[in-house]
Amino acid sequence: DTAVSQTPKYLVTQMGNDKSIKCEQNLGHDTMYWYKQDSKKFLKIMFSYNNKELIINETVPNRFSPKSPDKAHLNLHINSLELGDSAVYFCASSPRGGRSKNIQYFGAGTRLSVL
Amino acid sequence: EDQVTQSPEALRLQEGESSSLNCSYTVSGLRGLFWYRQDPGKGPEFLFTLYSAGEEKEKERLKATLTKKESFLHITAPKPEDSATYLCAVQGDSGGGADGLTFGKGTHLIIQP
Repeated sequence: DTAVSQTPKYLVTQMGNDKSIKCEQNLGHDTMYWYKQDSKKFLKIMFSYNNKELIINETVPNRFSPKSPDKAHLNLHINSLELGDSAVYFCASSPRGGRSKNIQYFGAGTRLSVL
Repeated sequence: EDQVTQSPEALRLQEGESSSLNCSYTVSGLRGLFWYRQDPGKGPEFLFTLYSAGEEKEKERLKATLTKKESFLHITAPKPEDSATYLCAVQGDSGGGADGLTFGKGTHLIIQP
């Protein structure tokens, strides 16, 4: 009954390939996010989605595209992978209101290695 | 642009030795300051959120405080299981409704038995 789940946990691929990472949350939250944690462990926001509407895009290359089939899912597609894309990618979700407003809950992460 | 600076980068304590972690921030319209704990190979785990200066929250051996410029995470009589990286993050009003968190680089805490 994991609240925010990501698959796969590890992803090893060659440069130039296209890959996807899936994220699902069973918390009933309205907003979902993707973060990138680089080799220096620095977490940085990439995207957020609220009711299927993209509301953040922080200078992320257009090779990265989030896709949300429904409120509980936000998948990350990456085209033409580059060496610099190697990192840990975290999915998160948050409610809009209530006592837990704006608190983001994270998945366990997907470690992407581009060879 | 929102900014978060955490210090120290790393801290090694003996079990039972209390200390504090610092988080300095600049933000346009603070909507919340958040503390997370991250264990190796895992995602950040939510600890506290603080919304206004003067607010304090406690959980077991941890206590978080907030001023207009910084937050402290006080650790009282820590145990080895408190070893982790502690992340501070802010959420501001920038970007016309943007909801992403701006994180600091974290403090890597090691508690020795």
